[in-house]
Amino acid sequence: EADIYQTPRYLVIGTGKKITLECSQTMGHDKMYWYQQDPGMELHLIHYSYGVNSTEKGDLSSESTVSRIRTEHFPLTLESARPSHTSQYLCASSDSRQGIYGYTFGSGTRLTVV
Amino acid sequence: AQKVTQAQTEISVVEKEDVTLDCVYETRDTTYYLFWYKQPPSGELVFLIRRNSFDEQNEISGRYSWNFQKSTSSFNFTITASQVVDSAVYFCALRAYNNNDMRFGAGTRLTVKP
Repeated sequence: EADIYQTPRYLVIGTGKKITLECSQTMGHDKMYWYQQDPGMELHLIHYSYGVNSTEKGDLSSESTVSRIRTEHFPLTLESARPSHTSQYLCASSDSRQGIYGYTFGSGTRLTVV
Repeated sequence: AQKVTQAQTEISVVEKEDVTLDCVYETRDTTYYLFWYKQPPSGELVFLIRRNSFDEQNEISGRYSWNFQKSTSSFNFTITASQVVDSAVYFCALRAYNNNDMRFGAGTRLTVKP
C-alpha cells in the first residue's frame, strides 16, 4: 500500500497544453521533492519543499512550477507543455524528524508530449 | 560537496551468476547515510538498504549483500545467484546527517538473462 500517490500514472498530451501532475503523501512528511528522469537515466532534482509555503528550484533547470499549500500535497505544473518535457516525473517525501531514513517515492508519472 | 559515482552504466549477466554493482561517494561530512534503491521497469523506486557512516559491518539479506568500506568511500552491492526478476536500474544515494537532501548516483542498469 503506497503512502505517496502520484496521478496520473501515464499522460499523453498535446504541445501547448497546461498540465498539473499531482503528488500527495499521507505520512505527514515535511519535505517533498520532484525528480525528472529520462527512461533508465539518472534522477534530476527539479523542485523541493521543506514545508508549507516553502518551495525551491533544484539542480536541474525546469520550466515547471510547484506549490505547497498543504503539507500533504505538492503538485507540479507545466504552463505550456513541449515535447522536450517528455519524461518520467517522480515525487518523493521525507521526514526531517526521522533523520536516518531515506526518501519514500511515488510510482511516477510518465509524461509524453506530442 | 556531495557526489555519488556509479561507474557501471550497464551490466548484463546470465541467470545464477553473481554480480557486484559499484558505488563510490564523496562527502566532507563525518556522519552520513548511504542507500541503495531498485527501480524495476514499472518505474517506482524501491528502498533496499540504508547504512550509516559509523557502521562498517557488511550486511546480508537473502541473495543481497552490501560491502561498505569507509577507507575507499565505497558501498558496493552484490547479488548472488542472480535471477531475471533482479533486472532493474539500481541507484546508490548519499545523505548527510544534518541535511535531508539525498544525492543520487547515475544508476546502473542490470539485465539478467535467462
